[in-house]
Amino acid sequence: NAGVTQTPKFQVLKTGQSMTLQCAQDMNHNSMYWYRQDPGMGLRLIYYSASEGTTDKGEVPNGYNVSRLNKREFSLRLESAAPSQTSVYFCASIKGVTGANVLTFGAGSRLTVL
Amino acid sequence: SQKIEQNSEALNIQEGKTATLTCNYTNYSPAYLQWYRQDPGRGPVFLLLIRENEKEKRKERLKVTFDTTLKQSLFHITASQPADSATYLCALDPNNNAGNMLTFGGGTRLMVKP
Repeated sequence: NAGVTQTPKFQVLKTGQSMTLQCAQDMNHNSMYWYRQDPGMGLRLIYYSASEGTTDKGEVPNGYNVSRLNKREFSLRLESAAPSQTSVYFCASIKGVTGANVLTFGAGSRLTVL
Repeated sequence: SQKIEQNSEALNIQEGKTATLTCNYTNYSPAYLQWYRQDPGRGPVFLLLIRENEKEKRKERLKVTFDTTLKQSLFHITASQPADSATYLCALDPNNNAGNMLTFGGGTRLMVKP
């Protein structure tokens, strides 16, 4: 009963390097989300996937790509990391049926770009 | 543009007192409002959801009010304990459709002193 699992928990990159943040949920949820959290800025949506096979841009998608690999997994890729992408990244999921859409979050991935 | 405001200054209260946190919004007509708790180094955890046609919702020591005329939600913790110390986030859901994006406030840090 792990919920939402993110890897890695911590990562340090140099400017221009690439990396992928992995996210998996075991709750059979349909919708998955990637947020970033910066001091004073709150949680901002990067990309989301309403269902398997679909992805859409959120508020701050520039510099990121996503892949909804299957119903369980939703990855976030930084192709050429920039210092402005230093942040804490959270993956979340929602069941996506009528009723309350409550987000279940992972523990977060702290990324530092030097 | 849509705006959600939570007091960015930390709220310090004495154990046993009632903590009241505020969430104000403009240019928004949410169908639902949610409150989350976030502990340092962890992802947000859902606490309560209130619908636009509900004035008040309670869960144990927690109470949420929702005034769509004032565009404000108040979050109360009665008989507060040091274990209630955390950051509390409000989130607005426009119409509870999966794939629609919740919008988060910046959060208010609560410190309960013994």
